[in-house]
Amino acid sequence: GAGVSQSPRYKVAKRGQDVALRCDPISGHVSLFWYQQALGQGPEFLTYFQNEAQLDKSGLPSDRFFAERPEGSVSTLKIQRTQQEDSAVYLCASSPRTGPGTDTQYFGPGTRLTVL
Amino acid sequence: QKEVEQNSGPLSVPEGAIASLNCTYSDRGSQSFFWYRQYSGKSPELIMSIYSNGDKEDGRFTAQLNKASQYVSLLIRDSQPSDSATYLCAVTPEGGYQKVTFGTGTKLQVIP
Repeated sequence: GAGVSQSPRYKVAKRGQDVALRCDPISGHVSLFWYQQALGQGPEFLTYFQNEAQLDKSGLPSDRFFAERPEGSVSTLKIQRTQQEDSAVYLCASSPRTGPGTDTQYFGPGTRLTVL
Repeated sequence: QKEVEQNSGPLSVPEGAIASLNCTYSDRGSQSFFWYRQYSGKSPELIMSIYSNGDKEDGRFTAQLNKASQYVSLLIRDSQPSDSATYLCAVTPEGGYQKVTFGTGTKLQVIP
């Protein structure tokens, strides 16, 4: 079946622009995660959804970052007034269940955001 | 102190040798441990998960966990050039939640 998809794959924004990054998880997957990965670093947790509920947004770096998953499937990560430090790869991952951390997370290909 | 620490490498091993990748974590209550492989420009893919002390083997890969020492390792036997990638150690906390904390990764180079 289809894996996690993300769009766009590449996004160039001028500083100050708003961007929206989309994630289509694997059908039926309950959990959805967003990560930010800077060059040469591991992915950093941003936020977590269980169905449509955003249960953890502790990793969002500022109030310019906003994520939603209104119908419990597709999710959008929005970054307002982009800054150069927002340049990174944004990864989305989904997993089929919740629970004590035993589930594999399936990652999408990522969106590479470059802020000029 | 970082929550999950790895040597960034690069770790260079000859083809056919055993590659040993190491990771330490700070949260003693951590519950689940994962090794992801990430090729350059690609997204991470899970190669091993381990939840209890001891060894877990899957093909050429063996994960080792020592909770008392807060240490997890990955051994790759008969290393192949196609194993050249960055290996990310990841840990989830105690409790019914899947938040994953990643290390910065170790770059492995397998020399033909």
